[in-house]
Amino acid sequence: DAGVTQSPTHLIKTRGQQVTLRCSPKSGHDTVSWYQQALGQGPQFIFQYYEEEERQRGNFPDRFSGHQFPNYSSELNVNALLLGDSALYLCASSLAAGGSEQFFGPGTRLTVL
Amino acid sequence: AQSVAQPEDQVNVAEGNPLTVKCTYSVSGNPYLFWYVQYPNRGLQFLLKYITGDNLVKGSYGFEAEFNKSQTSFHLKKPSALVSDSALYFCAVRDPNTGGGNKLTFGTGTQLKVEL
Repeated sequence: DAGVTQSPTHLIKTRGQQVTLRCSPKSGHDTVSWYQQALGQGPQFIFQYYEEEERQRGNFPDRFSGHQFPNYSSELNVNALLLGDSALYLCASSLAAGGSEQFFGPGTRLTVL
Repeated sequence: AQSVAQPEDQVNVAEGNPLTVKCTYSVSGNPYLFWYVQYPNRGLQFLLKYITGDNLVKGSYGFEAEFNKSQTSFHLKKPSALVSDSALYFCAVRDPNTGGGNKLTFGTGTQLKVEL
């Protein structure tokens, strides 16, 4: 049973560019959340998707957007990249049921030059 | 707003000794609490959670945690540490009263180092 998968593993972009990160949830999971983890910090919640809609959002600007597909996979898009967007981006999947733990993927390391 | 504090950046313990990694939280109402572990260049791995019921919860790899409502704490413990337990540990809280939202708020992490 495959866990949460993310692609690509690493990505290098320049300021002002746009990036798309992808996530496939653990089998049977219907909810996907995205987190940003800066170096030496704990993960920060970006947003959550369930039934192809954004259900909850953290304190991130509109440059961060996402999408969930009918097969529950998800994309995170970041426009107009800034140097400060350099981080490990983690995708987590879970069941919608209350109290369910989130399972994390290995992350995508984004470097903005 | 919900928050988590992990007061120790690093905890050092000798192999075979008990370990404790501290966590305190702030959230309105009854919290959902989680512990995760992160190995270098890896994602987070779930260890255990408290939702309701017994204050002492047991998780993976011999870890356990005790929920203390009066002290708003959820400390992670293990009776006998292994060198392989050396990693970065995160405590997280979720407010269940968010209409289906599952936002986790994480602490800043505690680096555990277990030495021979």
